[in-house]
Amino acid sequence: GESVGLHLPTLSVQEGDNSIINCAYSNSASDYFIWYKQESGKGPQFIIDIRSNMDKRQGQRVTVLLNKTVKHLSLQIAATQPGDSAVYFCAEIQTSYDKVIFGPGTSLSVIP
Amino acid sequence: GAVVSQHPSWVICKSGTSVKIECRSLDFQATTMFWYRQFPKQSLMLMATSNEGSKATYEQGVEKDKFLINHASLTLSTLTVTSAHPEDSSFYICSAPLNRGYRNQPQHFGDGTRLSIL
Repeated sequence: GESVGLHLPTLSVQEGDNSIINCAYSNSASDYFIWYKQESGKGPQFIIDIRSNMDKRQGQRVTVLLNKTVKHLSLQIAATQPGDSAVYFCAEIQTSYDKVIFGPGTSLSVIP
Repeated sequence: GAVVSQHPSWVICKSGTSVKIECRSLDFQATTMFWYRQFPKQSLMLMATSNEGSKATYEQGVEKDKFLINHASLTLSTLTVTSAHPEDSSFYICSAPLNRGYRNQPQHFGDGTRLSIL
């Protein structure tokens, strides 16, 4: 079924430190994964994606790691900045279907 | 800049009112759009898939007669919450894939509509 979060996990990090946000996905048949950032009162914003034939992908200050064996996805943010404060969602897609399933989200708070 | 525009961004109305929310793709055509609902401190829940020129596909548990979806053109989908009640108060978000073959492409989201029913 759909992933529903009732209590939003939170992560607090010091400005300049690295952040790691974790996500356990539900469907072993999912073959495409996306991390989104959602600021208060706004829609999700695309950060980075990864396909199941990869286990690591890097962007600007962000890295996504995929472990299909344990169905785990992580987002690493280097040198975290106050502007990174937001809720981060992982999303899994089974590309033979058209449904995007969102994880429960993690609230990242950056301490200046 | 935004590629998906949602309007209005905030609606407050009385119980029993019907509310229409618009989702527009800017500078690209979207044969498919998605509507989500998000309650405070919770994740996005897919409500329905809006298909241009055909009926929307609703997720299990979403009332078709309550949440009317019309995808009348390649750039516009509307969600009408009919006879809204306080329990319908939520954050409604639409999304559209930028390209055809969307199953392997990230969706782009509007900035949402906050609906408050008194």
